[in-house]
Amino acid sequence: GAVVSQHPSRVICKSGTSVKIECRSLDFQATTMFWYRQFPKQSLMLMATSNEGSKATYEQGVEKDKFLINHASLTLSTLTVTSAHPEDSSFYICSGGLAGGSEQYFGPGTRLTVT
Amino acid sequence: GENVEQHPSTLSVQEGDSAVIKCTYSDSASNYFPWYKQELGKGPQLIIDIRSNVGEKKDQRIAVTLNKTAKHFSLYITETQPEDSAVYFCAALYYGQNFVFGPGTRLSVLP
Repeated sequence: GAVVSQHPSRVICKSGTSVKIECRSLDFQATTMFWYRQFPKQSLMLMATSNEGSKATYEQGVEKDKFLINHASLTLSTLTVTSAHPEDSSFYICSGGLAGGSEQYFGPGTRLTVT
Repeated sequence: GENVEQHPSTLSVQEGDSAVIKCTYSDSASNYFPWYKQELGKGPQLIIDIRSNVGEKKDQRIAVTLNKTAKHFSLYITETQPEDSAVYFCAALYYGQNFVFGPGTRLSVLP
């Protein structure tokens, strides 16, 4: 199947700083990329959807100025958590989808810990 | 919006037995239903999916059924092995591209 990578796999940052997470589709062009957040022992919650070259669409309750999403190319999307706080600590997972397709291919996730 | 329920939340089976996980969805417009396996600290991995024009699909030890009238779909794992132990999520596609995930089922296969 299609492969999606994320970098870094885990990151620790101090409260108030910003951290960037990269999501890359390695063997396909992802016209749409999705960002999810997963708290321990919970399900995946969609944060935002981004189409290459367009502004991201954020789910209700997700602050667009705090979680900056850039989808500059068909193989790369980035999520920047700005002014991070301990409550932002979570497992962030991206996925990529093909144009006109239903399937989503998930990355391995990034564990963010804010101290 | 779409809502997906999943049962049971935890499931323990003996190695070699079968496991069944059931999901229900609310939006009759949903037409694509994937199942994902997530191991600890990893991203979800697609294991099987089914579309609304199909009632059943099988891939080796894994099968999925869909009842559109009742709006529920189920995952069957036969001849379970310890490496099947993981959290399983069902999902339903709505608005053409967004997934809503079920709350997950933690499956433990006991040797």
